[in-house]
Amino acid sequence: ETGVTQTPRHLVMGMTNKKSLKCEQHLGHNAMYWYKQSAKKPLELMFVYSLEERVENNSVPSRFSPECPNSSHLFLHLHTLQPEDSALYLCASSRTSVVGNEQFFGPGTRLTVL
Amino acid sequence: QKEVEQNSGPLSVPEGAIASLNCTYSDRGSQSFFWYRQYSGKSPELIMFIYSNGDKEDGRFTAQLNKASQYVSLLIRDSQPSDSATYLCAVFSFNDYKLSFGAGTTVTVRA
Repeated sequence: ETGVTQTPRHLVMGMTNKKSLKCEQHLGHNAMYWYKQSAKKPLELMFVYSLEERVENNSVPSRFSPECPNSSHLFLHLHTLQPEDSALYLCASSRTSVVGNEQFFGPGTRLTVL
Repeated sequence: QKEVEQNSGPLSVPEGAIASLNCTYSDRGSQSFFWYRQYSGKSPELIMFIYSNGDKEDGRFTAQLNKASQYVSLLIRDSQPSDSATYLCAVFSFNDYKLSFGAGTTVTVRA
């Protein structure tokens, strides 16, 4: 695995639950990302944080709420999700969010919403 | 809207052959191009990146970029069964500082 870790690896939740996904990078990077990957669809960028400030929010529903307390940690808080939110959620990091810096991905959290 | 297009495959090649993967993109402002490999149930891992027109070789992998044609490809020489995976093309543009991914091409190497 890479220097990006994610917990939990699998999560099953009901539509009324509140849960959080955690991502931690050990690479000294300054930018972190949340992506959603659904079957047979391209990776969808959800949020970008650069130096702990959100720089991108691709019209993601408010039931997804990111938090970046420092440059090494990133959370995705989940609340009243829908079954169509079931997917693989990937965290990534890069040295900066500018330039075409290569991104390194964590192992992902497989989320199932019942 | 920026698009990155890849043939979904599956692309089946015999062991030892060359696998050729293609990717086209619509945003002429794209500057950086990446190939990621994703095994089933795993996360994407970066295998190649290219910024300039021409070829870039790294071991058995060669990336080819033609910005005029908005085309980037990946060649896998001497394909091995361990190369069986989905290959994602990703394109970065300075216009919006976004990395956009294609849906991926699934490659199967037959032993």
